Amino acid sequence: DAGITQSPRYKITETGRQVTLMCHQTWSHSYMFWYRQDLGHGLRLIYYSAAADITDKGEVPDGYVVSRSKTENFPLTLESATRSQTSVYFCASSADRDTEAFFGQGTRLTVV
Amino acid sequence: KNQVEQSPQSLIILEGKNCTLQCNYTVSPFSNLRWYKQDTGRGPVSLTIMTFSENTKSNGRYTATLDADTKQSSLHITASQLSDSASYICVVGNQAGTALIFGKGTTLSVSS
Repeated sequence: DAGITQSPRYKITETGRQVTLMCHQTWSHSYMFWYRQDLGHGLRLIYYSAAADITDKGEVPDGYVVSRSKTENFPLTLESATRSQTSVYFCASSADRDTEAFFGQGTRLTVV
Repeated sequence: KNQVEQSPQSLIILEGKNCTLQCNYTVSPFSNLRWYKQDTGRGPVSLTIMTFSENTKSNGRYTATLDADTKQSSLHITASQLSDSASYICVVGNQAGTALIFGKGTTLSVSS
């Protein structure tokens, strides 16, 4: 199906474990983004990518790693999960930096 | 500091009534302003995008206005429906295209 999909939708993990959140889009959009959404905060940018093999830090990148070997995929890895990384994570894509961004359904991550 | 402030934080209205949500920003230099609707448990969905030269844009019952001189925007919802119950997020893009600054959102509840 066309669109942007995230997996898993829900994840519970233990402190210190490595976790990877997946994001896949079918539009061949150049730009992809990872955000986290916490109570009391607006969405905050973690990392973004302007094209395959090009990534850059956002506002809150510490503790996260991204890669973009293919245009359609943009996985987000928590190398050693901490409780402060408990959040809802959204992936988004857009054709250009100033055009409409389309968001995935989100991944609710709980670190215990 | 680049900020986006939204008011009110929450709002309750009766079905069929109109309402206006406010957004003030300090992002500079400014590129575009977006309004998103986020239903509970879902990703944000774009309603409008306005550039510096646009002062109004409509999407069905949603009309956004922008005053770039005073750095204010509003989202007017006409003839509200129960399905309009959601969080409405104002987002401002900077000119460099390196950041989207998200407001914390206004939670709208439409009751019958």
